[in-house]
Amino acid sequence: QKEVEQNSGPLSVPEGAIASLNCTYSDRGSQSFFWYRQYSGKSPELIMFIYSNGDKEDGRFTAQLNKASQYVSLLIRDSQPSDSATYLCAVNEDDKIIFGKGTRLHILP
Amino acid sequence: DAGVIQSPRHEVTEMGQEVTLRCKPISGHNSLFWYRQTMMRGLELLIYFNNNVPIDDSGMPEDRFSAKMPNASFSTLKIQPSEPRDSAVYFCASSWGGGMNTEAFFGQGTRLTVV
Repeated sequence: QKEVEQNSGPLSVPEGAIASLNCTYSDRGSQSFFWYRQYSGKSPELIMFIYSNGDKEDGRFTAQLNKASQYVSLLIRDSQPSDSATYLCAVNEDDKIIFGKGTRLHILP
Repeated sequence: DAGVIQSPRHEVTEMGQEVTLRCKPISGHNSLFWYRQTMMRGLELLIYFNNNVPIDDSGMPEDRFSAKMPNASFSTLKIQPSEPRDSAVYFCASSWGGGMNTEAFFGQGTRLTVV
């Protein structure tokens, strides 16, 4: 099984600052990429997906994809305490959705 | 739609017992995934069905684990016999596996504790 790698954290960011979450993947054939958010004790929920190189913005969230470097990131602007959660990077490999282990994000009030 | 429905939400069982986890996917979705989540290993894909057919079960840890999908609206994951190391949260997810924007929708999970 191909790998999806994330720094486990925790990543601590002051409230109002930009949080930057990173992910690398090993399968060059992967076509689409997802960021899920998971609160403690809850199930993962989709925040964004991206499949073209470059940036994709949705409100305070921006996903960035660089297929040549096999790298995808998520930026969260104006971080809020409610953004404190684990963020899971996922990759679509032949219609299977493979997840990284996640990065724990802690927004400091 | 009520979303992906899993049962039970919590299960505590003794080592050696059989455990059956159940999942009802979102109506109209043709792909179903079983995942296991632990602190150490994260969210691992166990098995993936497409149109009720098992496509990839390479993530199933061993023969004690089996999964079925008898129809488009129901799937089970069975562990027999269960062991303490099987303790984890088991998630079922479904999607419309029809393109690059395939999003997996998750159920609430079953927290399994084997003592």
